[in-house]
Amino acid sequence: AQSVTQLDSQVPVFEEAPVELRCNYSSSVSVYLFWYVQYPNQGLQLLLKYLSGSTLVKGINGFEAEFNKSQTSFHLRKPSVHISDTAEYFCAVSLPGGTSYGKLTFGQGTILTVHP
Amino acid sequence: NAGVMQNPRHLVRRRGQEARLRCSPMKGHSHVYWYRQLPEEGLKFMVYLQKENIIDESGMPKERFSAEFPKEGPSILRIQQVVRGDSAAYFCASSPTAETGNTIYFGEGSWLTVV
Repeated sequence: AQSVTQLDSQVPVFEEAPVELRCNYSSSVSVYLFWYVQYPNQGLQLLLKYLSGSTLVKGINGFEAEFNKSQTSFHLRKPSVHISDTAEYFCAVSLPGGTSYGKLTFGQGTILTVHP
Repeated sequence: NAGVMQNPRHLVRRRGQEARLRCSPMKGHSHVYWYRQLPEEGLKFMVYLQKENIIDESGMPKERFSAEFPKEGPSILRIQQVVRGDSAAYFCASSPTAETGNTIYFGEGSWLTVV
């Protein structure tokens, strides 16, 4: 079975500073990787996903993530954050295969708080 | 194009009552997933349905919980005889097919409080 570990439960950062949210996964087979963002009392919005190909994935709102197979990591980065980026971020994996793709395994979440 | 619609957004039930949560997938989507987010925990997969079929219910509690996605109408997650431990946010997600690469779109969730 696969698992996802988000190494930081909370990350405080000042506005316009860079940020990295860390995600490690464990799986005996290849996986697909996702980052979702959840604003308070709202659903999840997809930021980006890695299925194959280039290990550097660019997403919405200026976020990017890099897939590192040897370190089984998929860290999320943004070079300059805004107050509006304050939210909870979830890393998730799923397995290849028709009925497995949408069955996501999520990490515990990282709360990003951007201070003025 | 409306997104994934869930209702009610907030539901309060007394212990022992039934809770019914509804999910209308995005237009053209025939695959629905239900997830539960317990306090202080991440989201956990519950069940995956296509129209009139349960594909994977490996995350569903064995008792009191059921889900359906009829040919017409929304998907329903039903919790019978609710207990305090069922208090959580329940999220529905949908995709057009199970094809790899499709984005899984989430609804805004239904918050169940059991008192």
